[in-house]
Amino acid sequence: AQTVTQSQPEMSVQEAETVTLSCTYDTSENNYYLFWYKQPPSRQMILVIRQEAYKQQNATENRFSVNFQKAAKSFSLKISDSQLGDTAMYFCAFFRSNDYKLSFGAGTTVTVRA
Amino acid sequence: GAVVSQHPSRVICKSGTSVKIECRSLDFQATTMFWYRQFPKQSLMLMATSNEGSKATYEQGVEKDKFLINHASLTLSTLTVTSAHPEDSSFYICSAREAKSSTDTQYFGPGTRLTVL
Repeated sequence: AQTVTQSQPEMSVQEAETVTLSCTYDTSENNYYLFWYKQPPSRQMILVIRQEAYKQQNATENRFSVNFQKAAKSFSLKISDSQLGDTAMYFCAFFRSNDYKLSFGAGTTVTVRA
Repeated sequence: GAVVSQHPSRVICKSGTSVKIECRSLDFQATTMFWYRQFPKQSLMLMATSNEGSKATYEQGVEKDKFLINHASLTLSTLTVTSAHPEDSSFYICSAREAKSSTDTQYFGPGTRLTVL
C-alpha cells in the first residue's frame, strides 16, 4: 500500500514570500502520478499541480512548482510570491495506477499573512 | 472544462431517515467516480469506488448497506446514506476520473455537508 506523509501540519508565510511544503511517499511502483491539491475555506478541492514519475523535469504552474526527487520519494511544493488567496489546506496525493485511487497525505494548512 | 457538481451542497435530516447525494460530471464522461468522507481539518478518506454499470467497491470498514452507491450513467453517481445517525454527520466529497483522459486526474465536486440531528 502507498503511504503519503506530510510532516508539516501548519505553515505561515508573509504575503509575497515563498513557502515550501514537504511530502514524502512510499511505493514499489515505478510509474505513477503525484498531485498537489488545494482546499480553501470553501472546501472545494482544486488541482494545483501534477507530476508524472517518468518525467525528470519538475512541473511548474505559474507560482507553483515542485521539487520531485524520485529516488528519495520526495515531492515538495513551492509557492512563490504568496498571495492571500493561497491560504488553504494543501494535500499531497499519490495516484495508484492499478486501481486509479488517490492516497492523500494528512494535509498542511497554509496561512498567508498580509 | 472538467467540472464536477454535487447536490445538495448541504442537508440537514432527522436520525433514521435516508439522504441521497448526487455527483455529476458536467462536461466529460466519467467511468469511475469516487466517494470520500472528510472530518474537519482532516484528510479525505476514500469510502468507495463507483464504476459505471457495475457494483461499487468499498474500502475496508465502510458499510456497503449503509452507504449505497449507484453509478447508472457515465455522468452521474449517487450516494445514499441509509438510516442516517448523528455519527454520519460529515462532509462528503465526490470525484470523477475522465474516461478518455491520459492524465489520470481526478476532478472533485464541491462537497456536501450532511448534518444528522
